[in-house]
Amino acid sequence: DTEVTQTPKHLVMGMTNKKSLKCEQHMGHRAMYWYKQKAKKPPELMFVYSYEKLSINESVPSRFSPECPNSSLLNLHLHALQPEDSALYLCASRVGTSSNYGYTFGSGTRLTVV
Amino acid sequence: GENVEQHPSTLSVQEGDSAVIKCTYSDSASNYFPWYKQELGKGPQLIIDIRSNVGEKKDQRIAVTLNKTAKHFSLHITETQPEDSAVYFCAAGASGGSYIPTFGRGTSLIVHP
Repeated sequence: DTEVTQTPKHLVMGMTNKKSLKCEQHMGHRAMYWYKQKAKKPPELMFVYSYEKLSINESVPSRFSPECPNSSLLNLHLHALQPEDSALYLCASRVGTSSNYGYTFGSGTRLTVV
Repeated sequence: GENVEQHPSTLSVQEGDSAVIKCTYSDSASNYFPWYKQELGKGPQLIIDIRSNVGEKKDQRIAVTLNKTAKHFSLHITETQPEDSAVYFCAAGASGGSYIPTFGRGTSLIVHP
């Protein structure tokens, strides 16, 4: 299995809703990432997990809450989002955080906040 | 920190032509340079990478070159096909510690049949 699987593919939520994004990989990668991507822009780093521990939080607002229940699974919990949070949310994994290998990205969740 | 400049922002070619996308980086400590292809509605996909101890790498119709002295690296696509149409991102970073690459702003490649 050489994939990163993200669900759901599309999500529309109101500003008072609570929802979660899910990411799963079975490649044995020990580094997992959340990125946010706006249209026609490169991905922006949000969070880094290394061996299931949060190692980097790029000053992301607390309305985004990451969770890594085990080495294969990564969640992003969303609460009280704003319309400007609408974007493509990408999960990625890599062998390890210090390794100079490329990311394996998922296909993303297209989030619309109304 | 690292700064990566990518040019051009848009590249339009005829099928069968070659395409070249160029990136420059600022941090001489950077030693790993991946290229990603992002098709519409999909996540970025790693298509080729190069490490600082290598000057050129090829994989079928794509190649990447690296000039460490000038701090620039380029993606070359030969015999372009319509399915090569996508946004291409370069990235640069230094291994060790938490390796987080800096992405270029992307190049939208359009291959006309």
